[in-house]
Amino acid sequence: DVKVTQSSRYLVKRTGEKVFLECVQDMDHENMFWYRQDPGLGLRLIYFSYDVKMKEKGDIPEGYSVSREKKERFSLILESASTNQTSMYLCASSFQQGLNQPQHFGDGTRLSIL
Amino acid sequence: DAKTTQPTSMDCAEGRAANLPCNHSTISGNEYVYWYRQIHSQGPQYIIHGLKNNETNEMASLIITEDRKSSTLILPHATLRDTAVYYCIVRWGVNAGNNRKLIWGLGTSLAVNP
Repeated sequence: DVKVTQSSRYLVKRTGEKVFLECVQDMDHENMFWYRQDPGLGLRLIYFSYDVKMKEKGDIPEGYSVSREKKERFSLILESASTNQTSMYLCASSFQQGLNQPQHFGDGTRLSIL
Repeated sequence: DAKTTQPTSMDCAEGRAANLPCNHSTISGNEYVYWYRQIHSQGPQYIIHGLKNNETNEMASLIITEDRKSSTLILPHATLRDTAVYYCIVRWGVNAGNNRKLIWGLGTSLAVNP
């Protein structure tokens, strides 16, 4: 089975801190994604990557950056955390080639910024 | 904006079939219908997809109307573990360019009752 592992289930940080969220997948997927999920707003795409060192902005990239140095790992970075970045963060991955490749998700990191 | 419309919530008795509708009246000829679900405190999970024919797998059946403007996800014998939010998404089948992204609505919250 595909496994997408997020480094923490729960995380508490302080305003202004630099925060790293890590995601690792074990299926050699080319595509990796970071979403945030908020009540009433659903899942919103922050960034995605379709290859090592490649990244593309999603719908809400402001205040975030990403890093993909290895194919299996995709990191989300909050450069200077703010309270409005308190949210559930979800990582996903998928194959690039072929039709209808579904996205596989981790179980999320619930991040609180105090 | 999501290209689909789903009821906000539904109830189903345990052991009965759960029929979850989705409206996608603006679907284009090469867009597929995908279903995911999200159980509380977990990441979304892929269920099934289809283009125009009905599809069935070990989790569910997907019925797409002939004009493709709507579809129904069927859980034939719902269990308490099927309580989740169900998302209907339309997109091209090829993972290329911006089509790598999934556009998520708010889904249908299904409660399976004993």
